[in-house]
Amino acid sequence: EAGVAQSPRYKIIEKRQSVAFWCNPISGHATLYWYQQILGQGPKLLIQFQNNGVVDDSQLPKDRFSAERLKGVDSTLKIQPAKLEDSAVYLCASSRTSGRAHTGELFFGEGSRLTVL
Amino acid sequence: GQQLNQSPQSMFIQEGEDVSMNCTSSSIFNTWLWYKQDPGEGPVLLIALYKAGELTSNGRLTAQFGITRKDSFLNISASIPSDVGIYFCAGQPSGSARQLTFGSGTQLTVLP
Repeated sequence: EAGVAQSPRYKIIEKRQSVAFWCNPISGHATLYWYQQILGQGPKLLIQFQNNGVVDDSQLPKDRFSAERLKGVDSTLKIQPAKLEDSAVYLCASSRTSGRAHTGELFFGEGSRLTVL
Repeated sequence: GQQLNQSPQSMFIQEGEDVSMNCTSSSIFNTWLWYKQDPGEGPVLLIALYKAGELTSNGRLTAQFGITRKDSFLNISASIPSDVGIYFCAGQPSGSARQLTFGSGTQLTVLP
């Protein structure tokens, strides 16, 4: 089965510019996650979708970050305007189960590395 | 939110040696997971633990879910060069807020 697809792999922008990342989860996976991984740290959840609804966005900086999953499949994460501290790898993940049956078994994409100058 | 303390931060071992790393939490978790991340890749699940006291193996890897539900360890036996990478623990609490929290990782280097 195909894995989680993400693009672009690398992006370099200047501060105050905008950027968008795309994710296509594993077919049939209802739950999709966006994580931010700063160098030397573990992944930190930004937002979790179940189908096309938001389950948890408590750690998403909503003044500059937005995400959507309109048809319950693909998702985009946008940052506008970017700050220096947004430099990180943005990981998309998906899982088969959700809600109370959520096992924590996530399948991650390769990530999109963002550098903000 | 929950915080996980993962140690050691880095390890340098000789090929063939065994290695152990652990994770502790101030909160109780219902699920512990161990992931491995290679350079330029996303984390990949190694082992998942769902019951306190559970001991689970996956090849040369063995992990345990602590009795107190606040800790877990991962052992790798007879290390080989491809074991190089960053190992992350992750915990999931009970209840409605089932967000997965990751530790800060253990960077493993295997010397030939």
